Amino acid sequence: EAGVTQSPTHLIKTRGQQATLRCSPISGHTSVYWYQQALGLGLQFLLWYDEGEERNRGNFPPRFSGRQFPNYSSELNVNALELEDSALYLCASSFGTVSSYEQYFGPGTRLTVT
Amino acid sequence: ILNVEQSPQSLHVQEGDSTNFTCSFPSSNFYALHWYRWETAKSPEALFVMTLNGDEKKKGRISATLNTKEGYSYLYIKGSQPEDSATYLCARNQAGTALIFGKGTTLSVSS
Repeated sequence: EAGVTQSPTHLIKTRGQQATLRCSPISGHTSVYWYQQALGLGLQFLLWYDEGEERNRGNFPPRFSGRQFPNYSSELNVNALELEDSALYLCASSFGTVSSYEQYFGPGTRLTVT
Repeated sequence: ILNVEQSPQSLHVQEGDSTNFTCSFPSSNFYALHWYRWETAKSPEALFVMTLNGDEKKKGRISATLNTKEGYSYLYIKGSQPEDSATYLCARNQAGTALIFGKGTTLSVSS
């Protein structure tokens, strides 16, 4: 069974540009979560999608947005990039919205903003 | 805010040593506590999910306990091996919310 996949592996952008990160969940999983790990910080929750709807949002500005497609894959968009957006972005998926379900993580996208 | 604290921040042990880490969290509105292992250059891997006060889970040489009333969980590794070297993350959530992670405990095991 294929795990969670993310693309691209690395992404280099300049300040003010937009970045698009992609995630494909494990087959059968309907929930997709996005997390950010910036230097020196722990994993910070960004966004949660389930069945195409945004379920919850972390403490991030509106320029962080995303969507979930009918096949449950997801996109994270970061507009007007700032230097502090440089981080590892992890996507995770789970089977449904029950909080005790395990989340399975992808390998991440390393975003560098110069 | 569901602050999750982990200690120690890092730990270095010799092969064969047993060790344990602590995860503390606000006990109000608790729903689930998750432990993950994150090895360098890999994805975080789920170890345990615990929901009930007094829960104990075991996977091989690794075990975990949960005290929801006082807001802490312990992760134990018996007879540490070099392949146990990783960052161990705990995370909690309330019902219907995403995970809030601690900063992790980084374990280094020397042979």
